[in-house]
Amino acid sequence: GAVVSQHPSWVICKSGTSVKIECRSLDFQATTMFWYRQFPKQSLMLMATSNEGSKATYEQGVEKDKFLINHASLTLSTLTVTSAHPEDSSFYICSAGTKKNTGELFFGEGSRLTVL
Amino acid sequence: SQQGEEDPQALSIQEGENATMNCSYKTSINNLQWYRQNSGRGLVHLILIRSNEREKHSGRLRVTLDTSKKSSSLLITASRAADTASYFCATDAGNTGKLIFGQGTTLQVKP
Repeated sequence: GAVVSQHPSWVICKSGTSVKIECRSLDFQATTMFWYRQFPKQSLMLMATSNEGSKATYEQGVEKDKFLINHASLTLSTLTVTSAHPEDSSFYICSAGTKKNTGELFFGEGSRLTVL
Repeated sequence: SQQGEEDPQALSIQEGENATMNCSYKTSINNLQWYRQNSGRGLVHLILIRSNEREKHSGRLRVTLDTSKKSSSLLITASRAADTASYFCATDAGNTGKLIFGQGTTLQVKP
């Protein structure tokens, strides 16, 4: 199956700093990538849809200035958590679909963010 | 927003037994998918069933879909300790890849 790589897998930062998380499709082109957030023992909440070459579409309640998404190429999308606070600590997961758009998504391994 | 509900929330069985998880959703869908997540890891796609399909098999997995009841079930037969994980259903309303996930079922298979 297609491979999606996320980096870093975990990061610890101080409150007020910004953190960038990368999501790469390694062996396929992803015109669309999705960013999810998952709190402990909870389900995945869709944050935004990242489209290559255009602005991301954010879900209701997600602050676009807080969570900056850039999808500069067909294989890379980045999520930047700006001015991070302890409540932003979470597990962030990206996913991507192939151009065939079979409906199946491929997920990265996730990035665990801890804000001190 | 979450549209799926799954039950049970947690399930504990002995190795060799079958495990059944149920998922209900609220709106019309194009397809429904089941994913598995090991603790602290990403998601692994298990199976996709389209709205015009009623049942699908993949190895020890059997998925059913009842669009009239807006529900789906995942059956894992002859469970193994390695099947211990959380299982999520996810629905795609527009074939856009934008998935809405259910709350998940945590399965523990005891050796």
